[in-house]
Amino acid sequence: SAVISQKPSRDICQRGTSLTIQCQVDSQVTMMFWYRQQPGQSLTLIATANQGSEATYESGFVIDKFPISRPNLTFSTLTVSNMSPEDSSIYLCGCLRFGGVDTQYFGPGTRLTVL
Amino acid sequence: KNQVEQSPQSLIILEGKNCTLQCNYTVSPFSNLRWYKQDTGRGPVSLTIMTFSENTKSNGRYTATLDADTKQSSLHITASQLSDSASYICVVSAMDSSYKLIFGSGTRLLVRP
Repeated sequence: SAVISQKPSRDICQRGTSLTIQCQVDSQVTMMFWYRQQPGQSLTLIATANQGSEATYESGFVIDKFPISRPNLTFSTLTVSNMSPEDSSIYLCGCLRFGGVDTQYFGPGTRLTVL
Repeated sequence: KNQVEQSPQSLIILEGKNCTLQCNYTVSPFSNLRWYKQDTGRGPVSLTIMTFSENTKSNGRYTATLDADTKQSSLHITASQLSDSASYICVVSAMDSSYKLIFGSGTRLLVRP
């Protein structure tokens, strides 16, 4: 298994500001992901964080709004830029380690409220 | 279109009772199906994972079944406990992109004393 930690666990932010969320995995993993979970809904993939190159974004998500970094195999950041109340959500980091039957692991999430 | 549908949307049961959650999917080509448990304020935790050739998998009081022909899965919880109160999410991955997960909307289970 993989243990994932996220910082901050929650935050309340003002409209127009930006927040950077950190994700740390306890061991090297092949792939890292960022998800958004709206209240009462399931997870939506934002992007795949690629080590040493630009992230791969899903339809509806763009780099200017959600810049992502992954400087090494155990760490990634997601920035939510120029926030609006519609960005209020839970943001989760996920990781995948190939081998056998692959299982994705998820961080505890960052609960973001934008006023 | 690849989709995963779960039922019921929510469920309330008494402590000690059994329950079964349903999952139907239209993902193709199918790779594997997972059930996750998500406690409030936490990230999802894997309960079971099944590939095409497996039709049942147990993890303690949780038993998942898979019928790849009808594209249906179920999660059976035996002798429920208060700590089973959570959302249960059915997640399917396709063979051509095994790391891109297709999530169901989840079943919110509440176990009452």
